[in-house]
Parts: sequence; structure tokens; C-alpha cells
Amino acid sequence: SAVISQKPSRDICQRGTSLTIQCQVDSQVTMMFWYRQQPGQSLTLIATANQGSEATYESGFVIDKFPISRPNLTFSTLTVSNMSPEDSSIYLCSACVWPSSYNEQFFGPGTRLTVL
Amino acid sequence: AQTVTQSQPEMSVQEAETVTLSCTYDTSENNYYLFWYKQPPSRQMILVIRQEAYKQQNATENRFSVNFQKAAKSFSLKISDSQLGDTAMYFCAFMKESSKAAGNKLTFGGGTRVLVKP
Repeated sequence: SAVISQKPSRDICQRGTSLTIQCQVDSQVTMMFWYRQQPGQSLTLIATANQGSEATYESGFVIDKFPISRPNLTFSTLTVSNMSPEDSSIYLCSACVWPSSYNEQFFGPGTRLTVL
Repeated sequence: AQTVTQSQPEMSVQEAETVTLSCTYDTSENNYYLFWYKQPPSRQMILVIRQEAYKQQNATENRFSVNFQKAAKSFSLKISDSQLGDTAMYFCAFMKESSKAAGNKLTFGGGTRVLVKP
């Protein structure tokens, strides 16, 4: 299993600014993912954070808006750039060990972002 | 692309009773995994139960069990002896089996809010 922490847990930001969210895992993991959960909605995958290479983004998400770093096997950051009120969401980090017979993803507690 | 549909936005159940949440999915894959995650008000996503598509036997975890119908692409969750702590959002999720690590992506359904009443 893996225990994941995220910083900050919540923030209120002004439009036009940027926020970097940190995700720390207590053990080395193969895969890390970033999800967005808009108010009252389900989770949507933003990107897969690849260690040592560029992140792989899902359709509708671009690197300029959501730059991601993954400098090692236990840490990743997601930046929400040039924020607008539409970016107000919960951002969740997850991780899993691959290959694994369990294919379980462990989730962080999320970061609640409000953009004014 | 895979899609996951949860047709019940909200369900309520009396404490100690049983509730069943529905989930259907669409995929052309033959090998995959299905999950039910619970998200209480704390926002922490918790894995409730998983099912491998190649297994015919339905998965069970204590008070939680699934009814997996592969041909019908249906994956319902039954919560027995409901407890107040079961109050949460429940998400059905799909993951295809992949030879690449990037295949471990989860596709989530829209969620079902479960309210357990005392």
C-alpha cells in the first residue's frame, strides 16, 4: 500500500495567478496520476506524471495550463496556471505500483481550490 | 474509449438495511478491472472492492459484494447491513489491462450519493 499526502489541503486564489500542488508518497511508486473533481462531479484524469520524462496529458488538458513535474519516484507537483473561476475544483493525486496483480490506485486527500 | 455510467444520482437506505448501486460500462476490451471507490465528506477516496474481469466469481469484502455480469457489462455493488459510516459518494471505475504502465488509468462513473438514515 501507499500513503499519500498533498499540500496545500485547500487554497483561495485570485484569477490570473498560479498555484502549485505537491504530492508526496511514503514509498516508491511506479505511476502517479493527477485528477480533477469539479464541484459535485466525478473524477477526470488530467495527466499521468512520468518519472524522468514529460507528463502524458488527457484530451482537453494541456501542459501550458497544467504543468507537471515528477523529479523522483515519490514526489510530483501539479501547477494550475493563469487561474480562472472555472478552475475551482478538488485536485487529487494518486499512485500505484506497476506491474501489480492488484492494480490498486491509492489517493491523496485532495486539494480544494477556489478561484475568485 | 471506455465509458462508465451510474444511473442513480442518489440513494437513501435505513440503517441495517441493504442497498444496491448500479453501474454499467462500455468497452471493447476483454481483460480489465472494475472497482468501487467510496468518497466520504473528508474527500479521501477509499477502495471498497475490486473485480478482475477474468474471474467469474463475484468479489466480496465483508458487507460489500458485487454482481458482475460481463456479457451485460454490468457491475453493481450491494451494501448489506448499512451503517451510518457508509454515507458517502460511491464511484464505479474501470481500468483496462495493459502491458504498459500508462494503461493503469482509471475511468470513473458519475457517482451515486448514498445516505444512510438512522
